[in-house]
Amino acid sequence: DTGVSQDPRHKITKRGQNVTFRCDPISEHNRLYWYRQTLGQGPEFLTYFQNEAQLEKSRLLSDRFSAERPKGSFSTLEIQRTEQGDSAMYLCASSLPWTSAVYNEQFFGPGTRLTVL
Amino acid sequence: ELKVEQNPLFLSMQEGKNYTIYCNYSTTSDRLYWYRQDPGKSLESLFVLLSNGAVKQEGRLMASLDTKARLSTLHITAAVHDLSATYFCAVDMRNSNYQLIWGAGTKLIIKP
Repeated sequence: DTGVSQDPRHKITKRGQNVTFRCDPISEHNRLYWYRQTLGQGPEFLTYFQNEAQLEKSRLLSDRFSAERPKGSFSTLEIQRTEQGDSAMYLCASSLPWTSAVYNEQFFGPGTRLTVL
Repeated sequence: ELKVEQNPLFLSMQEGKNYTIYCNYSTTSDRLYWYRQDPGKSLESLFVLLSNGAVKQEGRLMASLDTKARLSTLHITAAVHDLSATYFCAVDMRNSNYQLIWGAGTKLIIKP
């Protein structure tokens, strides 16, 4: 399977615990995005990487959220001291380098559904 | 600030009927994307519209883009139950690393 993969697919945690999600993008894609989606809403942008550089971060993202992409391949999203309001689907997407891409079509992974009790 | 609005947000229709979903956006952008999402699943890319007047068709779905009116439409012809899903449009935010700004989605239910 050469698509975007995410792990785990589901995570149930207690309030106050830390969680970490992993995303493996399509191999030739150097751009990687994290989104959050709650029921009945469109995806909400969280952060964006080009290679290993985190180029943009949503102002809605609190300091409890951190993302890394240390070698420009897979990425991790960590949420510290989880709150019930963090319950959502966390989606990862990747796309081709903008210098060689005609457009910014993003390919999404299956998502990680987080439930904070 | 770029805003993307879809309407309707909810649509229930009978099989065999035609209908159109509308996507309006607030500032200049030349690229518009349509995605499909099934319940509990991720997003699947349907169409990428790159220029004014662009029209793309796949099966019973046809998407078009009017950049002057800042409007895209997704037309469904002779709907079938398998097209039941939530459809999202998204627009490039050019001055922000090509971040996509998303509409709220149109939940489409097609009854047999």
